[in-house]
Amino acid sequence: GNSVTQMEGPVTLSEEAFLTINCTYTATGYPSLFWYVQYPGEGLQLLLKATKADDKGSNKGFEATYRKETTSFHLEKGSVQVSDSAVYFCALGGYNTNAGKSTFGDGTTLTVKP
Amino acid sequence: GAGVSQSPRYKVAKRGQDVALRCDPISGHVSLFWYQQALGQGPEFLTYFQNEAQLDKSGLPSDRFFAERPEGSVSTLKIQRTQQEDSAVYLCASSSDLNTEAFFGQGTRLTVV
Repeated sequence: GNSVTQMEGPVTLSEEAFLTINCTYTATGYPSLFWYVQYPGEGLQLLLKATKADDKGSNKGFEATYRKETTSFHLEKGSVQVSDSAVYFCALGGYNTNAGKSTFGDGTTLTVKP
Repeated sequence: GAGVSQSPRYKVAKRGQDVALRCDPISGHVSLFWYQQALGQGPEFLTYFQNEAQLDKSGLPSDRFFAERPEGSVSTLKIQRTQQEDSAVYLCASSSDLNTEAFFGQGTRLTVV
């Protein structure tokens, strides 16, 4: 079956540091891939997505590239801010491209210190 | 409101009690999803509706869990004879169709004591 493995947290960085959160997956076929973010006290929000191999999703300075050969979808940001502190979830699959039925990783908590 | 609304936000139930959790999707969204999120884990899919039809209930963990969406709008997730292992955050999401983003509510935190 489908599965997602995320880098374990928590991750603590200083402001303006480079961020990488690793995500690898196991799946049949060619699923869509997603990163969700959950800010303190808020619901899950879609951060970015990629629907086919070699696609790059990007939003708010975050990027992730769908790598079929390594079955990975690592999240990166060149310079993090305190406001990026949140829990980040990698997710796979879903119906078509909307992530409505997805397999999620366990989340990685990011804390950015000033 | 503009987003997915869930109520109650918090629910404490005694073991063996029945509970009902409500989800108001974004107006006009035909697709609705329920997830269960245990502490420290990612959400796990429970069930999916297209309008009033429950098309996928493969994630429901036992026959104590039941979901309905009788008029294709508001949905209720019911858990009968709650057990401690049911303690989790229950998330609802909706989308206008299967090729657009699904929006999540803030969830209902259920604690079974």
